[in-house]
Amino acid sequence: DVKVTQSSRYLVKRTGEKVFLECVQDMDHENMFWYRQDPGLGLRLIYFSYDVKMKEKGDIPEGYSVSREKKERFSLILESASTNQTSMYLCASRDGLRLYEQYFGPGTRLTVT
Amino acid sequence: GENVEQHPSTLSVQEGDSAVIKCTYSDSASNYFPWYKQELGKRPQLIIDIRSNVGEKKDQRIAVTLNKTAKHFSLHITETQPEDSAVYFCAASKGSNYQLIWGAGTKLIIKP
Repeated sequence: DVKVTQSSRYLVKRTGEKVFLECVQDMDHENMFWYRQDPGLGLRLIYFSYDVKMKEKGDIPEGYSVSREKKERFSLILESASTNQTSMYLCASRDGLRLYEQYFGPGTRLTVT
Repeated sequence: GENVEQHPSTLSVQEGDSAVIKCTYSDSASNYFPWYKQELGKRPQLIIDIRSNVGEKKDQRIAVTLNKTAKHFSLHITETQPEDSAVYFCAASKGSNYQLIWGAGTKLIIKP
């Protein structure tokens, strides 16, 4: 079974703090994704990575950056957290060669106060 | 830009009845259409998908139909059960690189 884990289920940060969300997958998947999920807006793609050290902006990259130094780990960074970044953050991974299914982590509920 | 519209946003059906959720997409290059189910407090999981060379696909009580001409696809759940209660998301591939454009989700409520 594919396992995708995220570093925290719940996180509370203050405005202006630098925030790191980490995602690890154990299936040697090439592709990894960061989404935010807000009620009525579905899943919106923040950034994705096709392979190690490769990253591309998704639909809402403003205020975020990412890092992928190792194949199994994809980090999302909020450089200076703001209250409008309060959300559920979901990481996903996918085998880039054969299969199209995205496997999701359990999510991190981030609250910025 | 490309988008996927999903309707309805909430659907309430009697246990045992059928449920239908509809999506339309705008990117004519989309060729992969998955459906994900997210139970309360859990992660989204793929339940069924369809590729553009197929018009319909079934898996037990769930089926997906695709009309490429009209750019819409639908999820059908028959003989609904309490465990079908969840939020369902449709998605369409973005061009040919298998990024996904997601619908806003449908909350399906099964009434006992």
